[in-house]
Amino acid sequence: NAGVMQNPRHLVRRRGQEARLRCSPMKGHSHVYWYRQLPEEGLKFMVYLQKENIIDESGMPKERFSAEFPKEGPSILRIQQVVRGDSAAYFCASSREGDQPQHFGDGTRLSIL
Amino acid sequence: AQSVSQHNHHVILSEAASLELGCNYSYGGTVNLFWYVQYPGQHLQLLLKYFSGDPLVKGIKGFEAEFIKSKFSFNLRKPSVQWSDTAEYFCAVSAGGTSYGKLTFGQGTILTVHP
Repeated sequence: NAGVMQNPRHLVRRRGQEARLRCSPMKGHSHVYWYRQLPEEGLKFMVYLQKENIIDESGMPKERFSAEFPKEGPSILRIQQVVRGDSAAYFCASSREGDQPQHFGDGTRLSIL
Repeated sequence: AQSVSQHNHHVILSEAASLELGCNYSYGGTVNLFWYVQYPGQHLQLLLKYFSGDPLVKGIKGFEAEFIKSKFSFNLRKPSVQWSDTAEYFCAVSAGGTSYGKLTFGQGTILTVHP
């Protein structure tokens, strides 16, 4: 039973490019959460989505960042016009329902040149 | 806004030593509390959780945690650590109720256990 799958594991972008991070939740899970871990810091909540809906985006930066979880396919975290400060590890988690434990993926390490 | 503070960034122990990792949170309402562990090269895994009831919670691999409401604390303990417990440990909190929802994490504590 595959866990939460994130790809790519490592992503390198130049300043100004777009970064797309993908997350396939565990089978049967319809709730997805994105977290960001900056160097020397803990994980910070970004956004909580349920199929086709954004439930809580209180942790998302106001500009350049967006997330979606379409009816079919993985959840996508998109960062437009990346800057050096976007360098971080981005973790995705999923749960079957909102009151069930979150299962985490291995993360995507984003490096901005 | 919720916040979580873990007292120690790096703890080094010998096998069979006892472990206590501190965790304090700041939030005015009812909370759900969690400890996650990340073994080297692996993803975060849930060790234990507290929603309500008995404040002493037992988790996997011999870990336990005690919720002390008056101290806003949820410290993780293990009576005798093993080399395989080497990992990073994260305390997390979510707003009370039955929903996990948004988790607020502490900075993490790296535990190194020497054989």
